[in-house]
Amino acid sequence: AQSVSQHNHHVILSEAASLELGCNYSYGGTVNLFWYVQYPGQHLQLLLKYFSGDPLVKGIKGFEAEFIKSKFSFNLRKPSVQWSDTAEYFCAVNAGVTGGGNKLTFGTGTQLKVEL
Amino acid sequence: EPEVTQTPSHQVTQMGQEVILRCVPISNHLYFYWYRQILGQKVEFLVSFYNNEISEKSEIFDDQFSVERPDGSNFTLKIRSTKLEDSAMYFCASRVGSSYEQYFGPGTRLTVT
Repeated sequence: AQSVSQHNHHVILSEAASLELGCNYSYGGTVNLFWYVQYPGQHLQLLLKYFSGDPLVKGIKGFEAEFIKSKFSFNLRKPSVQWSDTAEYFCAVNAGVTGGGNKLTFGTGTQLKVEL
Repeated sequence: EPEVTQTPSHQVTQMGQEVILRCVPISNHLYFYWYRQILGQKVEFLVSFYNNEISEKSEIFDDQFSVERPDGSNFTLKIRSTKLEDSAMYFCASRVGSSYEQYFGPGTRLTVT
C-alpha cells in the first residue's frame, strides 16, 4: 500500500525566507508525485508534478521539487516566499501504471504561514 | 480554463438522512474520483470511476456509499444514511485518460447533525 509522510505540520516563515517542505513516500513500484496547494477558502490546486525524466521539476509561482529515488523523497522548495504563499501544502503519490484507478494518496499536509 | 464544479458548497443534514453530492467533471475527462477530508485530517481516497463502473474503492466506501454518472456530465456521490462521522469536506476530481494529473473541484462541506 502507498503511504506519504510530511514531517512539518506547521511552518512559519518571514517573507523572503527560503522554504523546504519534506515529503517521503512508501511504495514499491513506479510512482507519480505531486504537490498540491490549498489557499484559504479555495480548492486544491496542482503546484507541480513528477512523472519521469529530470528529477528536478519546476512548478507554478516559483516552486520546485526534487525527486530523490534512493531516499523516497520529493521535497518542495522555494527560494524566497511571499505572504501570498500562506496556504496548506499537500504531497501526494499515485502508482505510475496505466489503467486502474490511479488513486492519489495524500500526506497530512503542511500549514505554511508567511509573515510580513 | 475548464474547471471541476461541485454543488452544493455546504450541505447540512440530520443523521440518518440521505444526501447526494454533485460534481460536474471537466468535459473530456474519463476518470472520476471522490475524496474526503475530515477536519484536521488528511485527504482520503473514497472511490474511482471509469467507463461507468467503480474501478477502485477504499475501506471507507462501504454499502452506505454509492456513485453514479446519471448523464454525460454529472458525477454523484450518494450517502444513504448519514452518520455524524460522515461530516467532512468532499472533493470530486477528474482526469483525462492520457495523464495522471487529477483536477479537483472546490469541495462540498457536509455537516451531519
